[in-house]
Amino acid sequence: EDQVTQSPEALRLQEGESSSLNCSYTVSGLRGLFWYRQDPGKGPEFLFTLYSAGEEKEKERLKATLTKKESFLHITAPKPEDSATYLCAVQAGTALIFGKGTTLSVSS
Amino acid sequence: DTAVSQTPKYLVTQMGNDKSIKCEQNLGHDTMYWYKQDSKKFLKIMFSYNNKELIINETVPNRFSPKSPDKAHLNLHINSLELGDSAVYFCASSHGRGQGKYEQYFGPGTRLTVT
Repeated sequence: EDQVTQSPEALRLQEGESSSLNCSYTVSGLRGLFWYRQDPGKGPEFLFTLYSAGEEKEKERLKATLTKKESFLHITAPKPEDSATYLCAVQAGTALIFGKGTTLSVSS
Repeated sequence: DTAVSQTPKYLVTQMGNDKSIKCEQNLGHDTMYWYKQDSKKFLKIMFSYNNKELIINETVPNRFSPKSPDKAHLNLHINSLELGDSAVYFCASSHGRGQGKYEQYFGPGTRLTVT
């Protein structure tokens, strides 16, 4: 069964304190792994797509990496505006299978 | 310009009523989706339409019926609403298969509250 597990569920950081979010997945035939950001009361906002092991994508303070079993979202020197829930999803057929997300809180 | 829009944003109704949620996308995508996000924030696929054809219908009560009048619109009709239907419903769209780009873009969500 296709499955996505994210850890930790919640993460509290001080501004400037770098860390990583984990996404472990099990899927038959990975067509893509996706990272989204969701702010309270809003829809998920697309961040990255990774297609093959070894691939990396960067955007501002965020960097996503992919292995055959997991993906990491590295956050370098986070700011309070990076506070949000980060969702990981894998493409299974046509639909996305989402993890339960990691809620990141960055305090100044 | 809003890429994926949904109306209404909030919907409060009583048990047993019938309601609809509308979704429109202006991204030129040919595949649209409905997702449900429960109180624990878990996002799960309900339906997927490609070129107005239903291609995914997860285990959803048949009180839920999607309708796609054209590639840019996907509506969700819900009959005989129940308390357990309370959730946030998201519409999303993407390119279809064979186009190499599968990322989905989400609307702002419709918060449905059934009393």
